[in-house]
Amino acid sequence: QVQLVESGGGVVQPGRSLRLSCAASGFTFSKYGIHWVRQAPGKGLEWVAVILSDGSNEKYADSVKGRFTISRDNSKNTLYLQMNSLRVEDTAMYYCSVFEYWGQGTLVTVSS
Amino acid sequence: DVVMTQSPLSLPVTLGQPASISCRSSQSLVGGDGNTYLDWFQQRPGQSPRRLIYKVSNRDSGVPDRFSGSGSGTDFTLKISRVEAEDVGVYYCMQGTHWPPWTFGQGTKVEIK
Repeated sequence: QVQLVESGGGVVQPGRSLRLSCAASGFTFSKYGIHWVRQAPGKGLEWVAVILSDGSNEKYADSVKGRFTISRDNSKNTLYLQMNSLRVEDTAMYYCSVFEYWGQGTLVTVSS
Repeated sequence: DVVMTQSPLSLPVTLGQPASISCRSSQSLVGGDGNTYLDWFQQRPGQSPRRLIYKVSNRDSGVPDRFSGSGSGTDFTLKISRVEAEDVGVYYCMQGTHWPPWTFGQGTKVEIK
């Protein structure tokens, strides 16, 4: 069955960096564009970034542009999100998703 | 960016009764290929989102047929024909026509009266 398993979340101080991973299985990972979507505590869903199936193109929400970088390794069926210059407002559950399927999320808390 | 507006934001329903959620977009969601990329997601308490409906009216695998989607252009609706206890949660619409960004509605919280 399809599985998306995020990892790498944690507590980090403002201005620091964090790298999230998403391990995929059960489908042909290399054929899908894949997204990061986040949800601040008690809030709605916010799209963060997408990377096309071959990794040739990425798009970002304005709120993270220039600070976050999405990447993928199709040989490892893994998606990444490098988050730099973290801000308190980046605190959220981060999900990887192809919209038909979602991971369980990994929690990022930015706090001093 | 396309703004998605849902109503109501809170929907108390009686078990076995129908429920309806509206979603309006700030511009037409008909794409250049003629498709309308409007999805509906359910998020039960403490769970990840789950897609219910894609391209306005297509149910995902395993989604009960009491869920249906309809609409066109800028106005869309998710209907639950008979609400069950397991339907409690927050429902989101999302557009994927004019990207980036993909944009979600604010969410509609469905609860049992």
